[in-house]
Amino acid sequence: ETGVTQTPRHLVMGMTNKKSLKCEQHLGHNAMYWYKQSAKKPLELMFVYSLEERVENNSVPSRFSPECPNSSHLFLHLHTLQPEDSALYLCASSQDGWGRGDTEAFFGQGTRLTVV
Amino acid sequence: ILNVEQSPQSLHVQEGDSTNFTCSFPSSNFYALHWYRWETAKSPEALFVMTLNGDEKKKGRISATLNTKEGYSYLYIKGSQPEDSATYLCAYNTDKLIFGTGTRLQVFP
Repeated sequence: ETGVTQTPRHLVMGMTNKKSLKCEQHLGHNAMYWYKQSAKKPLELMFVYSLEERVENNSVPSRFSPECPNSSHLFLHLHTLQPEDSALYLCASSQDGWGRGDTEAFFGQGTRLTVV
Repeated sequence: ILNVEQSPQSLHVQEGDSTNFTCSFPSSNFYALHWYRWETAKSPEALFVMTLNGDEKKKGRISATLNTKEGYSYLYIKGSQPEDSATYLCAYNTDKLIFGTGTRLQVFP
């Protein structure tokens, strides 16, 4: 257990559906992240929140919409996705943002998303 | 474009063998180099975070070295065990954490 919990673990959705992924951490961390992993590709950073403010949007299409209502929770709202968006979506948190060199990431187990 | 390269992509070894993997990263704008271990159906977990050129870190049978001037890090596993089977990711911290594709290690009994 890393202290970062993601739900659901698996999600199948149609291209016209709206769904949300949830991430929760009670580690007292100040930064939270969404990463995407597609087959045979490295983990791709999507969004960064530091102290509940979005500090990075890594050119992610608007059909992905993050929300950070407080320092313990992070959501990824999904709407009108495409089949190529099928991937593993990982949430992570860290004590501080990456500008603090020695901080490490704590990851959730991920949501395996399939868009049909 | 900042690329982090890991080699080999996959590795199969016999129990008891020692092994090592390489991570190459840009040597500019360096904050830290991370190694993570990712077992199937689990979360990636941090092994090491290294910040200084020449750093060497050790955790049990696993150790890592860092050369920031030439932009590489090695991860070593001594006397591999089946429970070491996992994907080993390195990540370069340059004010954002950029991951390599990983080295998938399988250790056969």
